Amino acid sequence: DTAVSQTPKYLVTQMGNDKSIKCEQNLGHDTMYWYKQDSKKFLKIMFSYNNKELIINETVPNRFSPKSPDKAHLNLHINSLELGDSAVYFCASSHMQGSGELFFGEGSRLTVL
Amino acid sequence: QQQVKQSPQSLIVQKGGISIINCAYENTAFDYFPWYQQFPGKGPALLIAIRPDVSEKKEGRFTISFNKSAKQFSLHIMDSQPGDSATYFCAATYNFNKFYFGSGTKLNVKP
Repeated sequence: DTAVSQTPKYLVTQMGNDKSIKCEQNLGHDTMYWYKQDSKKFLKIMFSYNNKELIINETVPNRFSPKSPDKAHLNLHINSLELGDSAVYFCASSHMQGSGELFFGEGSRLTVL
Repeated sequence: QQQVKQSPQSLIVQKGGISIINCAYENTAFDYFPWYQQFPGKGPALLIAIRPDVSEKKEGRFTISFNKSAKQFSLHIMDSQPGDSATYFCAATYNFNKFYFGSGTKLNVKP
């Protein structure tokens, strides 16, 4: 009965490959996010979608492309993977008109070799 | 520029002791200050949060102290337990638009 679920949990791939991470929330929230957590545990927002509309787009290489097919799903596609993309990517959701609390998924650990 | 600065980076406390983690912010427009707890292999989870119109909020063994004039807030964990060992993040946001996180504090509570 996971609130925010993301797949895959682990992803190991070669430099130059393209990969996707999927996220789904069953909380009825209107806003979804992608955060990147680097090796030093620093959490940095990448993107945010509110009702399928992109509202936050931080300074992220355009190799990263989010897609929100509906309010409950937010996917992240990464082209031409680089070593520096290795990190844990967290999906989160919130209800901006409600409590605003962020609910995080368990993370997707991406390792680029 | 880091909007929220957190210290210390790591903390070791004996069981039963008090753990204190500090955060400072710059933007006076921030109106919500949550603390998140993250266990290894898991996503961060909301622990406790405060708004700037109160100076303290307590939930069980966890207390946030908030100093608006100094633009600082801190998390106090009373009677720290080994199960509290985790990484703690402070955060700040304005109108829930974007959350800015501190750099995290890894807490180790020794039995």
